Amino acid sequence: KNEVEQSPQNLTAQEGEFITINCSYSVGISALHWLQQHPGGGIVSLFMLSSGKKKHGRLIATINIQEKHSSLHITASHPRDSAVYICAGYSGGSNYKLTFGKGTLLTVNP
Amino acid sequence: DTAVSQTPKYLVTQMGNDKSIKCEQNLGHDTMYWYKQDSKKFLKIMFSYNNKELIINETVPNRFSPKSPDKAHLNLHINSLELGDSAVYFCASSDRGSNTEAFFGQGTRLTVV
Repeated sequence: KNEVEQSPQNLTAQEGEFITINCSYSVGISALHWLQQHPGGGIVSLFMLSSGKKKHGRLIATINIQEKHSSLHITASHPRDSAVYICAGYSGGSNYKLTFGKGTLLTVNP
Repeated sequence: DTAVSQTPKYLVTQMGNDKSIKCEQNLGHDTMYWYKQDSKKFLKIMFSYNNKELIINETVPNRFSPKSPDKAHLNLHINSLELGDSAVYFCASSDRGSNTEAFFGQGTRLTVV
């Protein structure tokens, strides 16, 4: 069983819609990364957070430490947001490793 | 300037061959990683190096050997390539472990025929 679970696996939206992608993680993970993988394959780090909320443009990431849950929101979605979004958990300490969720394929239609 | 660059971007080779993928980062980061992305797009850590020292080796066959000549480079050598090695390999770096933002290379798509 993966220590990081994402949902949904696939998500199709119309341009302009508000998008939410969820990530649940197991005990021992102290920080969450949200990554974006473009159709061409490159991976970009969107956020790293261990508490609270971060915002960058139309993207918002939140994390609830008690519930071991993080969400990535996209406001006013656009076709260029179409990508795979991946959450990854960091275990902390000297264990320099990210454990990845299986990704959410987002398709935003015009 | 590309922060994390890996070469080549595409690599097609025959079974049994030995190949290398190079990775360089110009961010001054202490920690570098190799990740493998399988056909189902699932990413998994292979190796992690901190200041040229191996930190993580995640049940990867001995045919895979990372080499870090200095803090800015982490190369991946693969001996006796097998069909199952076909995947996209990503190099990444971060500062002081994974509790900081990670920067990824563009990936190397390895196809073993």
